[in-house]
Amino acid sequence: QVQLVESGGGVVQPGRSLRLSCAASGFTFSIYAMHWVRQAPGGGLEWLTLISYDGLNKYYADSVKGRFTVSRDNSKNTLYLQMNSLRAEDTAVYYCTRGGYDHGFDFWGQGTLVTVSS
Amino acid sequence: DFQVTQSPSTLSASVGDRVTITCRASQSISSWVAWYQQKPGKAPKLLIYKASSLESGVPSRFSGSGSGTEFSLTISSLQPDDFATYYCQQYNNYSGTFGQGTKVEIK
Repeated sequence: QVQLVESGGGVVQPGRSLRLSCAASGFTFSIYAMHWVRQAPGGGLEWLTLISYDGLNKYYADSVKGRFTVSRDNSKNTLYLQMNSLRAEDTAVYYCTRGGYDHGFDFWGQGTLVTVSS
Repeated sequence: DFQVTQSPSTLSASVGDRVTITCRASQSISSWVAWYQQKPGKAPKLLIYKASSLESGVPSRFSGSGSGTEFSLTISSLQPDDFATYYCQQYNNYSGTFGQGTKVEIK
């Protein structure tokens, strides 16, 4: 069955960096676009970034453009999110999700919590 | 900036009620609209994609409709398991903007 497992969250000071990982299994990872979505405590869902199946195309929300970088290693079935210059407002649960072309975001990980605090 | 506005933000209803949630886009969009259900502490779950296609395994009491700038999610007969927060989303090959969410509460 499809599984997405995020890791790498934790408490980090403002201005520091953190890298999240998302391990995929149960499907052919290399043919799917992947996304990161976050949810601040008590808040709604915010789309952050998309990476194409081959890693060649990447798109970002304005809120993270220039600070966050998405990447993937299809040989390891793993998606990454490098987060730099973190701010208090980046505190959220971060989800990786599978994008099935016109199918919406059909599978989600359980999320990993990032807390930015001094 | 492209925006997706969802209403109402909160909806109080009883078991058996028919409920409808609306999503409006700031400009005419394709029919690549999805609806998700989220329960506290859990990841969102895809219910509807391409505005009206029911995701596999989702009960048929859920339905989606709409085109252009206005889309809706309808639950034909609300069940106890349906009390949750619902999000609409406009997605395409380079983004996926979410609405603000609608919390469906027990009346």
